[in-house]
Amino acid sequence: AQSVAQPEDQVNVAEGNPLTVKCTYSVSGNPYLFWYVQYPNRGLQFLLKYITGDNLVKGSYGFEAEFNKSQTSFHLKKPSALVSDSALYFCAVRDRGSGTYKYIFGTGTRLKVLA
Amino acid sequence: DVKVTQSSRYLVKRTGEKVFLECVQDMDHENMFWYRQDPGLGLRLIYFSYDVKMKEKGDIPEGYSVSREKKERFSLILESASTNQTSMYLCASSLFGTTTNEKLFFGSGTQLSVL
Repeated sequence: AQSVAQPEDQVNVAEGNPLTVKCTYSVSGNPYLFWYVQYPNRGLQFLLKYITGDNLVKGSYGFEAEFNKSQTSFHLKKPSALVSDSALYFCAVRDRGSGTYKYIFGTGTRLKVLA
Repeated sequence: DVKVTQSSRYLVKRTGEKVFLECVQDMDHENMFWYRQDPGLGLRLIYFSYDVKMKEKGDIPEGYSVSREKKERFSLILESASTNQTSMYLCASSLFGTTTNEKLFFGSGTQLSVL
């Protein structure tokens, strides 16, 4: 069965500092991995994904994520945080070997960037 | 840009009522999904659909059913609403069969309160 873990409910970081939001996954086959962001009173928006190829993927708003197969992780990073990055972040996985479009999400991590 | 529209932003219903949540997408996507979002639990998949009249159960289908009579519309039905179905409901859609463009597009959500 697929699963996603986001071990931190909340991450606080000072503006201008680097940020990391953690995600680990479990699938029986190879994963497709995604990050989504939810701003207050809004639906989720796609940030970036890993399908295949380069382990470091770049996405919207200066975010990037590194796929680490041995650690089954896909941590979200940004070199310099902005106050406007404060939001709820979700990691998601689809098992590419499952033959289905079933996306499983983590519990979410609230990022708070302090001015 | 893709638009996923959920018919109501806020809905208040009574226990035992039959509730319909409607979702419409305008980009001819084959896949459509219903999730519920609860604090601390993240997004949990209720049902999804690959095509008209096709549906598959997600992780928490109990107490729900779905209908997809037209490609652009995916309805979630609560047969007899209960208080534990009070939640934020999110609809999403995506293309089928291409990983290059693979991502979910979400609606703004319906906050359902069952009293």
